Amino acid sequence: GENVEQHPSTLSVQEGDSAVIKCTYSDSASNYFPWYKQELGKRPQLIIDIRSNVGEKKDQRIAVTLNKTAKHFSLHITETQPEDSAVYFCAASNEAAGNKLTFGGGTRVLVKP
Amino acid sequence: DAGVTQSPTHLIKTRGQQVTLRCSPKSGHDTVSWYQQALGQGPQFIFQYYEEEERQRGNFPDRFSGHQFPNYSSELNVNALLLGDSALYLCASSPERGGLGTQYFGPGTRLLVL
Repeated sequence: GENVEQHPSTLSVQEGDSAVIKCTYSDSASNYFPWYKQELGKRPQLIIDIRSNVGEKKDQRIAVTLNKTAKHFSLHITETQPEDSAVYFCAASNEAAGNKLTFGGGTRVLVKP
Repeated sequence: DAGVTQSPTHLIKTRGQQVTLRCSPKSGHDTVSWYQQALGQGPQFIFQYYEEEERQRGNFPDRFSGHQFPNYSSELNVNALLLGDSALYLCASSPERGGLGTQYFGPGTRLLVL
């Protein structure tokens, strides 16, 4: 089955700096890669996703890149703000096989004012 | 338009008991997936329901079972509870037939087994 690894497990950045989180996946059939943000005690919320027919996607301060050959994808947050502090999870799925999400272990991001 | 809802929000049980958790999908969604999230870890897929049938199942024992109703709402049942079943149980619904597309999560049910 699919295996997703996520690094780093914790990330501390100064407000205004950029944050980068990296994930690798094992199943070459995976074609959908969402990123979720989970604040303490809250539900995971989708912040951005990318499908395998696209190499990069951007939404304001957030961008995701995908390298299918190397089987890795990354989340980039620019101009970080204190409200970006949360746990971020990457995930992978094969939409043709029912869209079961396999999650990485999470990255705890702390943005210091 | 209400998003995904779950009940109850918190639950305390003792070992050996049985529990039922409930999920109502987002309006217009027909597929429900259940995940278990242990403290400090990413969610783990339990199973997915579509058209009132279990479509996919993760690596969970058959103590974990579920059901989907004609209105697309779903239940997760766990029998013979173990201490290790303590976790946040998340339900996610998908907007397209068969579970394709973005999954939206409910707030979860936090289960504590004593």
